Amino acid sequence: DSGVTQTPKHLITATGQRVTLRCSPRSGDLSVYWYQQSLDQGLQFLIQYYNGEERAKGNILERFSAQQFPDLHSELNLSSLELGDSALYFCASSLGGQQNTEAFFGQGTRLTVV
Amino acid sequence: QQPVQSPQAVILREGEDAVINCSSSKALYSVHWYRQKHGEAPVFLMILLKGGEQKGHDKISASFNEKKQQSSLYLTASQLSYSGTYFCGTGGGADGLTFGKGTHLIIQP
Repeated sequence: DSGVTQTPKHLITATGQRVTLRCSPRSGDLSVYWYQQSLDQGLQFLIQYYNGEERAKGNILERFSAQQFPDLHSELNLSSLELGDSALYFCASSLGGQQNTEAFFGQGTRLTVV
Repeated sequence: QQPVQSPQAVILREGEDAVINCSSSKALYSVHWYRQKHGEAPVFLMILLKGGEQKGHDKISASFNEKKQQSSLYLTASQLSYSGTYFCGTGGGADGLTFGKGTHLIIQP
């Protein structure tokens, strides 16, 4: 158990809908990262928050947004969902920045868009 | 820029050695290695930092050639538990950590 909690574990929703994925980082970790994993693309970095502020941005679509709250939990919002958004979404956390710190991954949320 | 990993897949017998390579077209400050078993989350193995510092696993070793922008992960006397997909990650600055497509390692008894 990494100490990172993601909910829900599975989500099935229709195209055009909006969903929210939730992540609670390990106790004491200030950074939260979101990754998308699909079969053909591997692990794609989406976005990082550090202590409530956006720190780094990857290949995150405009339809997607995230935030980190004062209690350090984070939410990833996916809207106008398309079939291609079906993937495993991981949240990870670390004490500091990502360049020289190990990250701990949650068990992921499997999103299926039908 | 996504780092390139090779080989894409390896099948070994228990006790054999494996080397997984990771190369980048960009200058590297650090290289991160993670292993993911099927249906599970990626798990941290090691970070190699510019200047030679390493943080990580005591049964797995790795090298980091800053000039060639390459890293290699060495798995010696492989065990069944080593099976999984190995990812290298580079970057970690403003663009975040970018992972390669992974190397699938299968260890057979």
